[in-house]
Amino acid sequence: GNSVTQMEGPVTLSEEAFLTINCTYTATGYPSLFWYVQYPGEGLQLLLKATKADDKGSNKGFEATYRKETTSFHLEKGSVQVSDSAVYFCALVDSGNTPLVFGKGTRLSVIA
Amino acid sequence: GAVVSQHPSWVICKSGTSVKIECRSLDFQATTMFWYRQFPKQSLMLMATSNEGSKATYEQGVEKDKFLINHASLTLSTLTVTSAHPEDSSFYICSARDPSGRYEQYFGPGTRLTVT
Repeated sequence: GNSVTQMEGPVTLSEEAFLTINCTYTATGYPSLFWYVQYPGEGLQLLLKATKADDKGSNKGFEATYRKETTSFHLEKGSVQVSDSAVYFCALVDSGNTPLVFGKGTRLSVIA
Repeated sequence: GAVVSQHPSWVICKSGTSVKIECRSLDFQATTMFWYRQFPKQSLMLMATSNEGSKATYEQGVEKDKFLINHASLTLSTLTVTSAHPEDSSFYICSARDPSGRYEQYFGPGTRLTVT
């Protein structure tokens, strides 16, 4: 079955540091890939997405590239801010009516 | 963008009572909605897939008689926790799929349920 593996946290960074959160996936077909972010006490927000190989999703300074050859979708940001502190979930879906398959989430704490 | 609301945002109830949580897609019609449960500092656990006009599909291990799901319209799905017990205390999150998008799911803000 489909699955998503992401690096375990927590990740603690200083403000303006470079961020990478690794995500790899296993899927039988050609999935769409997503990163969601959850701020404390809130639901999930779609951060970015990519629907086919070599697509790059980007939003709010975050980027992730769909790498079919390495089955990866790593999240990066060049300079994190304290307000980026949250839990980040990598996810995939491979067809219209199936639910998202989530990774376990990575907690990021950014300190000033 | 697509907006999903949930009501209530938090609820406290006594053991043995039932609680209803509403999930609404505000600016799109959602033929499919999903209900998740999240324990503290853990990932989301899919409970069920709700399709408008038909019975929900429950994940293995989820009691369908305890967690009643009704998707009566294209913009509303409800989750009723029946005869709630303290172990049902959790953060419940719904999501809806916008059929005009590429499989994105949009999430509600969640409902914090505390059973005393």
